[in-house]
Amino acid sequence: EADIYQTPRYLVIGTGKKITLECSQTMGHDKMYWYQQDPGMELHLIHYSYGVNSTEKGDLSSESTVSRIRTEHFPLTLESARPSHTSQYLCASSDTRGLMGYTFGSGTRLTVV
Amino acid sequence: AQRVTQPEKLLSVFKGAPVELKCNYSYSGSPELFWYVQYSRQRLQLLLRHISRESIKGFTADLNKGETSFHLKKPFAQEEDSAMYYCALRTNSNSGYALNFGKGTSLLVTP
Repeated sequence: EADIYQTPRYLVIGTGKKITLECSQTMGHDKMYWYQQDPGMELHLIHYSYGVNSTEKGDLSSESTVSRIRTEHFPLTLESARPSHTSQYLCASSDTRGLMGYTFGSGTRLTVV
Repeated sequence: AQRVTQPEKLLSVFKGAPVELKCNYSYSGSPELFWYVQYSRQRLQLLLRHISRESIKGFTADLNKGETSFHLKKPFAQEEDSAMYYCALRTNSNSGYALNFGKGTSLLVTP
C-alpha cells in the first residue's frame, strides 16, 4: 500500500549519540519535508527536498542534517544528540504541485537523556 | 512573513452544538489554506482544502480574504469530532511551497 513510513516510533537515547530517523514513502512523491513539533506547539519546518540530491533548510534552525539519495528515502541525522533535541519529528511528502496537501508519517518521538 | 493564528488552544462543546474553529492568516499574496486533523493515536491527516470548496465529515471552511480568515465550521458536532485541528497556509515564497502551521486547537465534544 502506498504510504509514508517513519521509524522508529519512539527513541530514547543518551547525550552525544549519533542518530538517524528514517522516513520512506512509496507514493512516488517528489517533495519531502521534516517538521519538528514540541507538545502543544505548532509544527516547524526544519528541512525539505524537491527531489533527489535536493535538500534545503527550513524556517526553524536545526542542528540536524538530511539527505535525499533516492526519491523514496529522506533520512534525518543528528551527529551528537542533546537534550534540547527532545521533540517529535514528523516526515511528510507531497506531489509536485502539492494541491492535495501533505501525507504525514506517524512521527518519531525522540527523547535525549 | 507568513503566519497562521489559531486563537483557541482548547474548544469544548456539547454534542449537537455548532462548532467553529478559528484560523487567521497573514500573507499579502494568494494563499492556499488547509485544515489538518489529528485524532487520538493517529497521524496528522488532511481534512479540507480551500480550493476544493468541499464538505468533509460535515465540516466546511470558507476563505475570507477581506478578513484573512479560514474558519472551520460544523453545524452539529459529534463526539467522534474530538481531535486536534491545525490550520495551515501554503505560499509560493521561501521554503519551497512548504506549509506553515498554526499551533492547533484541541476540540472536545462532550455528550
